[in-house]
Amino acid sequence: AQSVAQPEDQVNVAEGNPLTVKCTYSVSGNPYLFWYVQYPNRGLQFLLKYITGDNLVKGSYGFEAEFNKSQTSFHLKKPSALVSDSALYFCAVREKDSSYKLIFGSGTRLLVRP
Amino acid sequence: NAGVTQTPKFRILKIGQSMTLQCTQDMNHNYMYWYRQDPGMGLKLIYYSVGAGITDKGEVPNGYNVSRSTTEDFPLRLELAAPSQTSVYFCASSYSKETQYFGPGTRLLVL
Repeated sequence: AQSVAQPEDQVNVAEGNPLTVKCTYSVSGNPYLFWYVQYPNRGLQFLLKYITGDNLVKGSYGFEAEFNKSQTSFHLKKPSALVSDSALYFCAVREKDSSYKLIFGSGTRLLVRP
Repeated sequence: NAGVTQTPKFRILKIGQSMTLQCTQDMNHNYMYWYRQDPGMGLKLIYYSVGAGITDKGEVPNGYNVSRSTTEDFPLRLELAAPSQTSVYFCASSYSKETQYFGPGTRLLVL
């Protein structure tokens, strides 16, 4: 069965420092991987995705994610955090050859201190 | 483009009441989805549709119904509201099986 784990409920980082939000996944086939961000009282916004190709994927707002097949991970990163990056981040996975279902992680709250 | 729009933004229901959550997208997407988000949890898929006239159950369909008479609209119906249905409901759409685009959500409180 497909599953996604986000091991940290919250990540705290100072503004200007690099940030990492962790995600590991489990699928039986090749994965499609996604990161979404949710600001307070808003819907989810798409950040980036990995389908195939380069393991380092660049997305919106300066975020990037690294796909690591051997570790079944897809960690979200940003070189220099902004206070405005504070939000709830969700990792999601879908099997490449399956139909439609996205399986979401439980979310990680990112808090960037000024 | 407005993207995915949802109404209402917030609603309070009494136990046993019914209501319909509206969802409309103007991106001509064929796939549409309904999710619920409970506190501290990820999103759970309630129902989905791969095109007009075609719907199917997701992970947590009990207590809900959907219809898809047009490409644009995908309403979610609660027939007999229960406290367990207190949640935030998100509608999403996608052109293919890839990136899903989400609406702003409907916050529902059942008392």
